[in-house]
Amino acid sequence: QQQVKQSPQSLIVQKGGISIINCAYENTAFDYFPWYQQFPGKGPALLIAIRPDVSEKKEGRFTISFNKSAKQFSLHIMDSQPGDSATYFCAASKVASGSRLTFGEGTQLTVNP
Amino acid sequence: KAGVTQTPRYLIKTRGQQVTLSCSPISGHRSVSWYQQTPGQGLQFLFEYFSETQRNKGNFPGRFSGRQFSNSRSEMNVSTLELGDSALYLCASRNGFRRAGADTQYFGPGTRLTVL
Repeated sequence: QQQVKQSPQSLIVQKGGISIINCAYENTAFDYFPWYQQFPGKGPALLIAIRPDVSEKKEGRFTISFNKSAKQFSLHIMDSQPGDSATYFCAASKVASGSRLTFGEGTQLTVNP
Repeated sequence: KAGVTQTPRYLIKTRGQQVTLSCSPISGHRSVSWYQQTPGQGLQFLFEYFSETQRNKGNFPGRFSGRQFSNSRSEMNVSTLELGDSALYLCASRNGFRRAGADTQYFGPGTRLTVL
């Protein structure tokens, strides 16, 4: 059972544009929502994360928007750069479950120069 | 501070064999988790160890097992390999003393296992 659905599967954006990736979850017990970035040959690296008590979190060019009632959250990458080209994964977990993350399917982002 | 290291990086096995993968967490981290990454199923949680005890387990058959040593290094073992076990196996570590979410999980580069 896929508990976190991610879209789109792939995304092509021009340099300077805004990249938007969306995720929806089913389990209302989830209370931690991180985004990971993965480059080829590397493991995923934490980009930014949010708890459901806030609706938005911004770190530099990266922003998470969170809609608890709709059970959706999204990643916005402002001023996208070619170096942002990577695969992005949303994830969710229950803090009480320790390190167990449930990941979305991933979005392959390509930023053209 | 050195990151999470995994050995070997690449491995080729045949069906029916068994394999052991190794993970060295970041110094001071006591929690080690393992994930399987495949194109079809994505990233799936295998198990988590903390202070040598399995703290959480995903939905994988008993052929997948793990352990953690007193120095926090961890190994995972897959017995009776099947073609479908071909995947990138990722290890992640975190401090483990703080609640998850307040404690970043760092991933290693993974071990690419190919089963022929």
